[in-house]
Amino acid sequence: SQQGEEDPQALSIQEGENATMNCSYKTSINNLQWYRQNSGRGLVHLILIRSNEREKHSGRLRVTLDTSKKSSSLLITASRAADTASYFCATDETSGSRLTFGEGTQLTVNP
Amino acid sequence: GAGVSQSPSNKVTEKGKDVELRCDPISGHTALYWYRQSLGQGLEFLIYFQGNSAPDKSGLPSDRFSAERTGGSVSTLTIQRTQQEDSAVYLCASSLGDKSRGYTFGSGTRLTVV
Repeated sequence: SQQGEEDPQALSIQEGENATMNCSYKTSINNLQWYRQNSGRGLVHLILIRSNEREKHSGRLRVTLDTSKKSSSLLITASRAADTASYFCATDETSGSRLTFGEGTQLTVNP
Repeated sequence: GAGVSQSPSNKVTEKGKDVELRCDPISGHTALYWYRQSLGQGLEFLIYFQGNSAPDKSGLPSDRFSAERTGGSVSTLTIQRTQQEDSAVYLCASSLGDKSRGYTFGSGTRLTVV
């Protein structure tokens, strides 16, 4: 099964609202990363949080990591229509040569 | 180059034909990855190159799939005798050799097998 599993699978909100997406994983990690994908094409790296960090901010993004629960959340504040995209978490496992991606959350922000 | 470049951006091929997909990573990035993504799905790892080390081919779904990386730069993913289930977006990414820094992705090749 997928190392990183996001929920919800789909999220629809109004512009200005906050959007929260969650990611769970199963093994030990060095860090966890969030990516964004528009229109089924290339992914863009958003933010990285290391295993010894609990929270990180970047602009309107806030990421939390709970290694005891093996879970992370991505919060987008004051959402905009342009935030509409798929968001993926990716885990950098301590034993592994590459990132493992989850199934993604499809976010729709309605104007 | 400024980013990861993939070509072609779209490819339609007949079942049974061979296809080659190309990836030009960012200059200086020693690590290169191939993933594929079926419609509405997550990313499935295919193969990983790191410098001069032997590639990690553990994600290749069958022996119809192969990849090479010449001179530590450009990579080609080859699919022989394509099947309809090979239809997907094939994504290439590169990094500075340390996955902890994150990947830079290309825009992908959308492969359709008819």
